[in-house]
Amino acid sequence: QSALTQPRSVSGSPGQSVTISCTGTSSDVGGYNYVSWYQQHPGKAPKAMIYGVSKRPSGVPDRFSGSKSGNTASLTISGLQAEDEGDYYCCSYAGSYTWVFGGGTKVTVL
Amino acid sequence: QVQLVESGGGVVQPGRSLRLSCAASGITFSRYAMHWVRQAPGKGLEWVALISYDGTNEYYADSVKGRISISRDNSKNTLYLQMSSLRAEDTAVYYCTRDPSDGYNYFANWGQGTLVTVSS
Repeated sequence: QSALTQPRSVSGSPGQSVTISCTGTSSDVGGYNYVSWYQQHPGKAPKAMIYGVSKRPSGVPDRFSGSKSGNTASLTISGLQAEDEGDYYCCSYAGSYTWVFGGGTKVTVL
Repeated sequence: QVQLVESGGGVVQPGRSLRLSCAASGITFSRYAMHWVRQAPGKGLEWVALISYDGTNEYYADSVKGRISISRDNSKNTLYLQMSSLRAEDTAVYYCTRDPSDGYNYFANWGQGTLVTVSS
């Protein structure tokens, strides 16, 4: 199972919006509405930010939103804040009780 | 508050075995499927294994199939990962994660991780 494709890095100024793409195939992203996104700060465990393509777990700010079109999912961070800096990983259910992650995207707040 | 605490990591020689544990609290452990996810140093996340809420079903990534076994003891609220024939490429931080078992197939809660280093 190949990893999902994410850009290595994205950046934006405080208050701006950034979007991270996550491209898979019809066997994972395109085949299921089970895309999730995780934020990871250096030395820390990942934290779920989006699940089911566009749902936010309790406590996640509504600045974070998710969407999907075909084989590509996206995470948008609106009103970028300094604490949003970190690594972001997408993940998709890939059938037969397996999951696949993206390679990760480093978000830098300028 | 959900708390997952992994333990058992360390330095191990290639070909040897190691068992990781994950103690859960703040949840009714026996209600939830659980996963292990790993992260090699400086690399991305990789799903490793899933076990059903009652331990009757297990699923593995192809990269670890046949060498790694996931299990659980619901009476002890503990998840395990038995790793054998360890290779250098198994070097990673291993995270225990909870599947909310609400049909959305994601990793709702994560432990702090335990580092496994395979080296001679």
